Amino acid sequence: KQEVTQIPAALSVPEGENLVLNCSFTDSAIYNLQWFRQDPGKGLTSLLLIQSSQREQTSGRLNASLDKSSGRSTLYIAASQPGDSATYLCAVRGNYGGSQGNLIFGKGTKLSVKP
Amino acid sequence: DAGITQSPRHKVTETGTPVTLRCHQTENHRYMYWYRQDPGHGLRLIHYSYGVKDTDKGEVSDGYSVSRSKTEDFLLTLESATSSQTSVYFCAISDSTDTQYFGPGTRLTVL
Repeated sequence: KQEVTQIPAALSVPEGENLVLNCSFTDSAIYNLQWFRQDPGKGLTSLLLIQSSQREQTSGRLNASLDKSSGRSTLYIAASQPGDSATYLCAVRGNYGGSQGNLIFGKGTKLSVKP
Repeated sequence: DAGITQSPRHKVTETGTPVTLRCHQTENHRYMYWYRQDPGHGLRLIHYSYGVKDTDKGEVSDGYSVSRSKTEDFLLTLESATSSQTSVYFCAISDSTDTQYFGPGTRLTVL
């Protein structure tokens, strides 16, 4: 059964710092991996999706990498801002049909960027 | 933002009563999902739909049923609500790239 782990559970950094969030998964047979952001009391917002054949994806100050063989992904945030404060969730989709191919979520990393 | 709405946004009910949550999309996407989010467990899939009248179970489907009679609407029903079903419920849709878009959530409290 796929398990997704995000460490650390919480992270506090000063404004302007570059930072890396980590995601690990136990089954390397994935179809894709997605990073989401969740603000308090809100739904999830998709940030980046990496297909299993890709190594990385970039959007603005965000860069996500994928190493399928080692079961790891990282989300790099450059020049962090207070507005980046949120919980970041990683989710993987298994490379299986039916219900086994649905998204499995990590529990998230709560990021706080201090002014 | 993807056009997804959920209703109601908040609901308090009593144990044993039936509850129906509604998800409505304006994007005409085929796939729709219901998740619940709980502290310590994260997001877990309840049921999903891959077309009108086509649904399947997710990880935590016991005590829940779903229906999809139109592309735009996906209903989640708790036949007889229990306190363990107190949670925040999210609906999601996915587009042709498999990116998932989430609704604003429904906070359900079962007393």
